[in-house]
Amino acid sequence: DAGITQSPRHKVTETGTPVTLRCHQTENHRYMYWYRQDPGHGLRLIHYSYGVKDTDKGEVSDGYSVSRSKTEDFLLTLESATSSQTSVYFCAIRGLDTYEQYFGPGTRLTVT
Amino acid sequence: EDQVTQSPEALRLQEGESSSLNCSYTVSGLRGLFWYRQDPGKGPEFLFTLYSAGEEKEKERLKATLTKKESFLHITAPKPEDSATYLCAVHNQGAQKLVFGQGTRLTINP
Repeated sequence: DAGITQSPRHKVTETGTPVTLRCHQTENHRYMYWYRQDPGHGLRLIHYSYGVKDTDKGEVSDGYSVSRSKTEDFLLTLESATSSQTSVYFCAIRGLDTYEQYFGPGTRLTVT
Repeated sequence: EDQVTQSPEALRLQEGESSSLNCSYTVSGLRGLFWYRQDPGKGPEFLFTLYSAGEEKEKERLKATLTKKESFLHITAPKPEDSATYLCAVHNQGAQKLVFGQGTRLTINP
């Protein structure tokens, strides 16, 4: 295992409510990523971080924000959840000298 | 724009029947091509990184190869436990992210 945990693993929430997903790593890796995976779209990058307090947008960042106050934690927030954000969310990490990413177990989010 | 296309979308084989999965890519300056395996309900599991044309990597019944335009994942004498979705991704020189294909869903029947 790559030392990545995600919480919660499953969540059902209502439209309009805020939701925060957490990714925690024990590898002390610099780079952390949030993806969503949907049928027909594959894995799409939402946001990523290249260090504490350093983040950037991915291809599907609208409606999402992130924060990284510690090396080990990367939070993904849906400020006001919508049904289109129903998806499986994966966190990934990458070391400084490599390009391969290692993925967490995922969070299945359902917005009703 | 970087692009990754995997084919076929789904492949069903009999146990022991060898085959290949294809990953075609266009990228501005390849930093690496990656293969992952994903089981239902789980996160992608890293398999291989290929850096340059002509490179090959092997792991058990899997062998990945790379040309300037595509990569193949060859599976030799597969077993039912090799059933999974196989994902291909590329990393280009300028970006800090992977671009994924949509995957090939492989089913091995006993």
